[in-house]
Parts: sequence; C-alpha cells; structure tokens
Amino acid sequence: QVTLKESGPVLVKPTETLTLTCTVSGFSLSNARVGVSWIRQPPGKALEWLAHIFSNDEKSYSTSLKSRLTISKDTSKSQVVLTMTNMDPVDTATYYCARISLPVGDFDYWGQGTLVTVSS
Amino acid sequence: EIVLTQSPGTLSLSPGERATLSCRASQSVSSSNLVWYQQKPGQAPNVLIHSASTRATGIPDRFSGSGSGTDFTLTISRLEPEDFAVYYCQHYGGSAYTFGQGTKLEIK
Repeated sequence: QVTLKESGPVLVKPTETLTLTCTVSGFSLSNARVGVSWIRQPPGKALEWLAHIFSNDEKSYSTSLKSRLTISKDTSKSQVVLTMTNMDPVDTATYYCARISLPVGDFDYWGQGTLVTVSS
Repeated sequence: EIVLTQSPGTLSLSPGERATLSCRASQSVSSSNLVWYQQKPGQAPNVLIHSASTRATGIPDRFSGSGSGTDFTLTISRLEPEDFAVYYCQHYGGSAYTFGQGTKLEIK
C-alpha cells in the first residue's frame, strides 16, 4: 500500500525558512520508475507545482520559486525534504507531496497535505 | 513555459447532464503528458485521466478525455452527485509541471 505523509510546522514567521518532510511507504525512493514532487495550494486557489526529485537525484524546481527552494531525499529513511527560504504570508498554503509515476508523469498518489500559515 | 488555461471557470449543471471541460495549452504539447485530476473539498487531488485519454485505475467510464496539440477536453457523460468537484488539467514536460487554474463543477 503506497502512502505519503507530510510533516512540518503549521505556523512560520515571515522571513523564516520552512522545512517540510514527506515520509513515504509502499515504494522505494530508489525505484527508477517513480519520483516525488511537492505541490502547494493556497486556500481557495489552484495547485502549484514546486519541485521534484527522482531516484538518480535528478531535481527540478518551479522557475518562479527556484531561488528559494531546495529538495533532497534520504532513501534509507524513505523521506523527501523540501526547504523554502524567506517565507511570506503569500506562501500560506496546503503543501502536498505526491508520487510521480513514470513514464506517464502523473501524480498517482498524494499525501493528505499539511496547512502552513505564514504570520507574525 | 507552458501555460494551461481551463474553461469555464465554473460550470453549473444538474445530475444526469453531460459536462464538457476544456484545457488549452499556450503551445502544442504531447498528449502523452496531459493529465486530468478531480479534487473534492478538503481532499488531495485524484488522477482521473492520463495521457490525455486513458482512464486511471478504478475511474468510471463516464469520464473520458480527448484532444491533442493545444486543445484537450474532459467529458463526464452523465453526472453523478459525487462528480461535483474541482477539476484540474496538468502537463509534464521539460522537467517541469504545470497545472491549469481549475474548473469548478457545481450543482445547478
């Protein structure tokens, strides 16, 4: 059974750095046919892709947020970590991690999401 | 960077009716990388259609996808009460993902 679960702070202050962890089970991060992405959704708004990482450590970032994002993985712990620097109230959103299934490239499994609020 | 524009923004229909949702890409894209998702309130999205026209596992056959190039369509042949939700199209290409802004399908 494939599951993904996000964890991290529910509240961060402006200018702080957000660190989110996605813990996966039911598949291995060393599997060449899958990857993990982070996606966010501000309240009442659309989905926004942030970053992805694959088994060979290939990484890619949203063009608009690239300077603020870092994605990494610890295969032994089955975890993918996203850091986002210089948080702002506009970054308030539900943050999801999702599995990418290759070769299609769709997000076939999602975590439940974690709401992060940016406020002083 | 590819932009996906979905229309209409909101679609008001009754159960039993047919729904047609549009997704237009800013440039021609491969059908292989066009995906549709359904999202219900308080839930993560769920994949409905991948490769523009292939239903994901367990998706009822009232959902169908079509299109190529820049114009893609999600059709729900006969709306069930549980189909009222927000629908997103998504594209993968050039090591980046893009989502449309969504179409809200609401009960009339």
